[in-house]
Amino acid sequence: EIVMTQSPATLSVSPGERATLSCRAGQSVLSNLAWYQQNPGQAPRLLIYGASTRATGIPARFSGSGSGTEFTLTISSLQSEDFAVYYCQQYNNWPLTFGQGTRLEIK
Amino acid sequence: EVQLVESGGGLIQPGGSLRLSCAASGFTVNSNYLTWVRQAPGKGLEWVSLIYSGGDTYYADSVKGRFTISRDSSKNTLYLQMNSLRVEDTAVYYCARGRWNYDYWGQGTLVTVSS
Repeated sequence: EIVMTQSPATLSVSPGERATLSCRAGQSVLSNLAWYQQNPGQAPRLLIYGASTRATGIPARFSGSGSGTEFTLTISSLQSEDFAVYYCQQYNNWPLTFGQGTRLEIK
Repeated sequence: EVQLVESGGGLIQPGGSLRLSCAASGFTVNSNYLTWVRQAPGKGLEWVSLIYSGGDTYYADSVKGRFTISRDSSKNTLYLQMNSLRVEDTAVYYCARGRWNYDYWGQGTLVTVSS
């Protein structure tokens, strides 16, 4: 099983600033990586797949980068609705695995 | 509009069985890959099971032999039959559309396994 490690566990950023979230895979997952956003009491929402392709309807302030074992989700100019928990997920190997999440909170 | 609506969760004793349903609209279950993902209270996401459009099924090791994923095209509904439930199966169960990543999710149904 590929272990996905996200850092930091909690990130405090002010509205309007940039947030950078990291995800590391225990072995190469090529570009088979997705990012999700989850608000309290809600289902996750797909943000990014293929490491860098935004899903339908996702604002351009969300961008993904990386390949192999190191990945980054960047949110430029944070809006109030962006403060949530973010998960990365690899789909290169069975079983599909998620990171433990990064909580993005208002500073 | 694509929608997924789960039902069937509840409180069940260890060793019991439960069947979750996920009613789909806006697309046909037989033509899509469908997945179950669960989330224990206060925890992260865990992939549980997948059914291919062709009918092949896959399971996480933690549920293999106990859970069965299936679908009914006449009802356009996805199911998860859960047997021999354990305390550690307690979670919100989400159905989602997709094979590798998931563009539509249901609202989730809570399964609590406790004596």
